[in-house]
Amino acid sequence: EDQVTQSPEALRLQEGESSSLNCSYTVSGLRGLFWYRQDPGKGPEFLFTLYSAGEEKEKERLKATLTKKESFLHITAPKPEDSATYLCAVRGIMDSSYKLIFGSGTRLLVRP
Amino acid sequence: GAGVSQSPSNKVTEKGKDVELRCDPISGHTALYWYRQSLGQGLEFLIYFQGNSAPDKSGLPSDRFSAERTGGSVSTLTIQRTQQEDSAVYLCASSSPGQGNSPLHFGNGTRLTVT
Repeated sequence: EDQVTQSPEALRLQEGESSSLNCSYTVSGLRGLFWYRQDPGKGPEFLFTLYSAGEEKEKERLKATLTKKESFLHITAPKPEDSATYLCAVRGIMDSSYKLIFGSGTRLLVRP
Repeated sequence: GAGVSQSPSNKVTEKGKDVELRCDPISGHTALYWYRQSLGQGLEFLIYFQGNSAPDKSGLPSDRFSAERTGGSVSTLTIQRTQQEDSAVYLCASSSPGQGNSPLHFGNGTRLTVT
């Protein structure tokens, strides 16, 4: 069964203090790994798709990387507006390959 | 362009009542998903529609839940005889499978509270 585990559950950073969020996954063949940002009261907002080990994607202060077992979301010099819940999801290659399987997310708080 | 639209944004209902939640996907997106998000939990898959194909209902938690999609566009999720454990945020998403391994684009959800 495809599974996604995210850590830590919550993370508090000072503005400018860089850190990383982890997403560990087990899937019988990876079609794609997806990162989303979710603000309170809103739906998840798509950030990145990663397809194969070694791939990296960047957007502003965020960089996502992928290995065969996990993905990291690196946040460089975060600002308070980066505070949100970050969700990781995988899509496998098996029968129900249209589904995304989500982790429980990491709640990030960046203090000024 | 317009994103995924869901209504109502909030719904409070009494236990035992039926509720209908609506989703209007992004124009041109043929795939439509319903997910449920309980407090502090990840997103739980409920149902998937793709074009005229039979929907994948494997995630519906009980036979009190049903969904339909009319004309390949708007979808409604119906919960009959609501229970307190049905309280959650119900999220709708759409995607365009014709673009390969495309991401899901979510609406802002309907927050359902069953009293």
